[in-house]
Amino acid sequence: SQQGEEDPQALSIQEGENATMNCSYKTSINNLQWYRQNSGRGLVHLILIRSNEREKHSGRLRVTLDTSKKSSSLLITASRAADTASYFCATAVYTDKLIFGTGTRLQVFP
Amino acid sequence: DAGVIQSPRHEVTEMGQEVTLRCKPISGHNSLFWYRQTMMRGLELLIYFNNNVPIDDSGMPEDRFSAKMPNASFSTLKIQPSEPRDSAVYFCASSHRGSPLHFGNGTRLTVT
Repeated sequence: SQQGEEDPQALSIQEGENATMNCSYKTSINNLQWYRQNSGRGLVHLILIRSNEREKHSGRLRVTLDTSKKSSSLLITASRAADTASYFCATAVYTDKLIFGTGTRLQVFP
Repeated sequence: DAGVIQSPRHEVTEMGQEVTLRCKPISGHNSLFWYRQTMMRGLELLIYFNNNVPIDDSGMPEDRFSAKMPNASFSTLKIQPSEPRDSAVYFCASSHRGSPLHFGNGTRLTVT
């Protein structure tokens, strides 16, 4: 069964705009991770935030975590056409076991 | 580092046939995961191994599915007999001591 659900399911924006994706989950977690999937490829890890962290940055990515609301958000600033992909959150209930959400399909138009 | 290697990349088979998917994890990684991805159900964790030992196979849908990891550099996922509803993309991923997962590019299985 899936632990997380992403919102929105699909998002279309213009290059240069910011993209925000949200993830909600159901149980207590050890950490939450965001992954990206290009069409026809495997998932690629973007960023990990631990349960005792509230915000993390990596380049144009900003992730927040609110454990009281069991939710996280991924912000991509100044988006590029190359950011077009599906984005998934994944929660680690134990250290090793990762459960993925339903994903957000992001389309960035040039 | 060649990354996680899966074979075959595509598999088309008829209902009732046996299907074997293969995975070579990244050298030195001690955890290996098998996921299945479909439009309807998203990404489902089927089974994962730590140090070649199956830890959690609660996601394996039926007895028709089995997975083995005979050594640290090889794993197989077998479906026998296959059914059309098994059609999906099957991903293998590996990690080292709880680090983020490294995925292969998947095997697209079509059962007719």
